[in-house]
Amino acid sequence: QQQVKQSPQSLIVQKGGISIINCAYENTAFDYFPWYQQFPGKGPALLIAIRPDVSEKKEGRFTISFNKSAKQFSLHIMDSQPGDSATYFCAASGGNEKLTFGTGTRLTIIP
Amino acid sequence: DVKVTQSSRYLVKRTGEKVFLECVQDMDHENMFWYRQDPGLGLRLIYFSYDVKMKEKGDIPEGYSVSREKKERFSLILESASTNQTSMYLCASSLNQPQHFGDGTRLSIL
Repeated sequence: QQQVKQSPQSLIVQKGGISIINCAYENTAFDYFPWYQQFPGKGPALLIAIRPDVSEKKEGRFTISFNKSAKQFSLHIMDSQPGDSATYFCAASGGNEKLTFGTGTRLTIIP
Repeated sequence: DVKVTQSSRYLVKRTGEKVFLECVQDMDHENMFWYRQDPGLGLRLIYFSYDVKMKEKGDIPEGYSVSREKKERFSLILESASTNQTSMYLCASSLNQPQHFGDGTRLSIL
């Protein structure tokens, strides 16, 4: 049973636009929500993470929005650039070091 | 910077062979993980270890085993490789989050 649902599966955004990827979770014990970025031939790397005591976290052009009551969180990439083209994974963890991952979103930024 | 090194980038093995995938981390992390990554399925946890000689099953442990004799090294073992184990295998380590990943081993079972 998938505990973290991610959408869309793929996304094409014009350069300079806003990329939005959404995730929903079921387990209310989750208390740590990271986003990972993966380039071809590389392992996933932590991009940004949030804990449920805040509703938003921003790092540069990347923002996580978190809605605890709806059990949803999303990644916003402002002013999207071709270098942002990658696969993005949301994940969730609760009370231990294990992560449950979403199925991934392949983002393509076109000029 | 944390470095997680997987011994092989590409590996080709035959059905029925015993396969070893090795992972080494250099940051004295207590926790280490093995995932497999398949298109459309994301990363699925096979096994993890929170200490030397300790291991716990993840979501898809069938057909796999692990070994952790030293803190820095975590091995994934395919006891008798099958074609449905063709995949990308990722190792990670952590201490109080986040997890740090290696670049993966693409394993093909023929």
